[in-house]
Amino acid sequence: GAVVSQHPSWVICKSGTSVKIECRSLDFQATTMFWYRQFPKQSLMLMATSNEGSKATYEQGVEKDKFLINHASLTLSTLTVTSAHPEDSSFYICSASLRAGNGYTFGSGTRLTVV
Amino acid sequence: KQEVTQIPAALSVPEGENLVLNCSFTDSAIYNLQWFRQDPGKGLTSLLLIQSSQREQTSGRLNASLDKSSGRSTLYIAASQPGDSATYLCAVDNYGQNFVFGPGTRLSVLP
Repeated sequence: GAVVSQHPSWVICKSGTSVKIECRSLDFQATTMFWYRQFPKQSLMLMATSNEGSKATYEQGVEKDKFLINHASLTLSTLTVTSAHPEDSSFYICSASLRAGNGYTFGSGTRLTVV
Repeated sequence: KQEVTQIPAALSVPEGENLVLNCSFTDSAIYNLQWFRQDPGKGLTSLLLIQSSQREQTSGRLNASLDKSSGRSTLYIAASQPGDSATYLCAVDNYGQNFVFGPGTRLSVLP
């Protein structure tokens, strides 16, 4: 079955630094991956759609210059939180689908804490 | 714009009870609906996927139904166990355009 691996599982960084989160499809190729953010006791909110070989599509209200997405290969998408601030502290999760309409598989998530 | 709601927001039951979680969506033009489980601080585990042409799916003690015309899905958990304690999320796939989550139901099964 489709497996999505996400690293790191948790990271603590200083305010003003940048953090990169990786999302890999282990046993399938994913032309599209999705990045979500989840604040405590809230549901997942789609941040952006990562497209292999082209620019990511960002949801309204998400700063594309702050959340840089790179999807350089069919198995890897990265999310870089630039100049992180405490309010960026959240749980970030990626997902991908083996085939359209076949449901989505999610990574294990990354807990980001900015101090 | 697709909106997904879930009732109840939280549920606490004694072990062994059968229970029903509800999910409603406003736009019936969906590709499929998926139920997930999320443990605290963890990612999502897919439980059941129901295609728009299907009425229900079963996996072990879980049974999910879909009534697309009325915009409703239910997740039935039989003989609940403490290990079932988690947040349950439903999400709808709008023909691959976007994937919208409900707010979740926090389930606590007491031993």
